[in-house]
Amino acid sequence: DAKTTQPDSMESTEGETVHLPCSHATISGNEYIYWYRQVPLQGPEYVTHGLQQNTTNSMAFLAIASDRKSSTLILPHVSLRDAAVYHCILTVKGGSAKLIFGEGTKLTVSS
Amino acid sequence: GPKVLQIPSHQIIDMGQMVTLNCDPVSNHLYFYWYKQILGQQMEFLVNFYNGKVMEKSKLFKDQFSVERPDGSYFTLKIQPTALEDSAVYFCASSDRRRTEVFFGKGTRLTVV
Repeated sequence: DAKTTQPDSMESTEGETVHLPCSHATISGNEYIYWYRQVPLQGPEYVTHGLQQNTTNSMAFLAIASDRKSSTLILPHVSLRDAAVYHCILTVKGGSAKLIFGEGTKLTVSS
Repeated sequence: GPKVLQIPSHQIIDMGQMVTLNCDPVSNHLYFYWYKQILGQQMEFLVNFYNGKVMEKSKLFKDQFSVERPDGSYFTLKIQPTALEDSAVYFCASSDRRRTEVFFGKGTRLTVV
């Protein structure tokens, strides 16, 4: 599975829109971009995923670069509950959905 | 939303003893996973399981580890015998046939003393 690169940490304030970057320069054509988040004492939680087109759901907007070498998870109007470690993960389309976690980006939200 | 249940939330076991971690996956899910997370470290994939068989396992899935899902009930991770380095939080997860989203439980904290 190709690797991703994320900043170690980011800080934000409640109500702000947060942009979490992820670099995946060696992504293969058959790999999806997944985002999961994890808060202490909980299992990871699915946020969103995409292949080529930008996607949006109730949690976030995923912007994927046209060359697919990078993506940005956009969290609108963050609240304290959005504080978590966000993981950008590549998985093979049609594969077993095995997830390889890195360090992720620790998002801190202050009031 | 769909929930993966893990019982118990915390288990303490003497080194060398056997332990079985239980997981109740989301109903109708077909793919099952175990992950291991040592406190303060990143989550590590252990194994995935489908149609009664191990599909893939990592280097962390030692010979002392085994998984099964007898009669479609709990999905279990058994460690026999346990070692001190097995102390960690073990997360169970499951996904449906589309494998679009993986649902995780809250984990079982295993302490080997």
